[in-house]
Amino acid sequence: DTGVSQNPRHKITKRGQNVTFRCDPISEHNRLYWYRQTLGQGPEFLTYFQNEAQLEKSRLLSDRFSAERPKGSFSTLEIQRTEQGDSAMYLCASSGGTVSYEQYFGPGTRLTVT
Amino acid sequence: GNSVTQMEGPVTLSEEAFLTINCTYTATGYPSLFWYVQYPGEGLQLLLKATKADDKGSNKGFEATYRKETTSFHLEKGSVQVSDSAVYFCALIIASGGSYIPTFGRGTSLIVHP
Repeated sequence: DTGVSQNPRHKITKRGQNVTFRCDPISEHNRLYWYRQTLGQGPEFLTYFQNEAQLEKSRLLSDRFSAERPKGSFSTLEIQRTEQGDSAMYLCASSGGTVSYEQYFGPGTRLTVT
Repeated sequence: GNSVTQMEGPVTLSEEAFLTINCTYTATGYPSLFWYVQYPGEGLQLLLKATKADDKGSNKGFEATYRKETTSFHLEKGSVQVSDSAVYFCALIIASGGSYIPTFGRGTSLIVHP
């Protein structure tokens, strides 16, 4: 088991550009989560998949953000028309437990919008 | 709704000192409780967990006991090391209605000096 991986690890983009991040969860995990984290804060929930179904999406999530998990394995998070306020660490986590539901996090993708 | 409150940081200690990081929660159901640790530039790592009242989670010398009567899950370590310097997050999950979305505290930064 190689754990959760995320690519790229760092992304610098200009305001107005689109960016896409990828997350590969632990292979047997059916739940996948995306979070955003800014300096000095805890992870902020963005969206959640169970298999390929997107079951919940934060009300705070702008419609510029979209996520997919087409085959119930890897997931992508796209941000369209990036803004400077989108600069943050984007974390992915997966979970498959039926008792305690702990999540396993990837290393994150740090986005800088200039 | 659900919430997690952690003590404000940073917590600054000398090596071999005793550590306590307080965590209290409010929850609409019966949560599982977690402590995660985040080292600079990395994602969150699960440190320990407890799934029912009076359970004690432990790992790498850290311990926390699920106290339902005081709705607390304080993190303790008897003798900290410089390598323990990181940010610690308390979290809860209530798996009700098929939703497995965790609630995180804001994190407590720990700085250990030699």
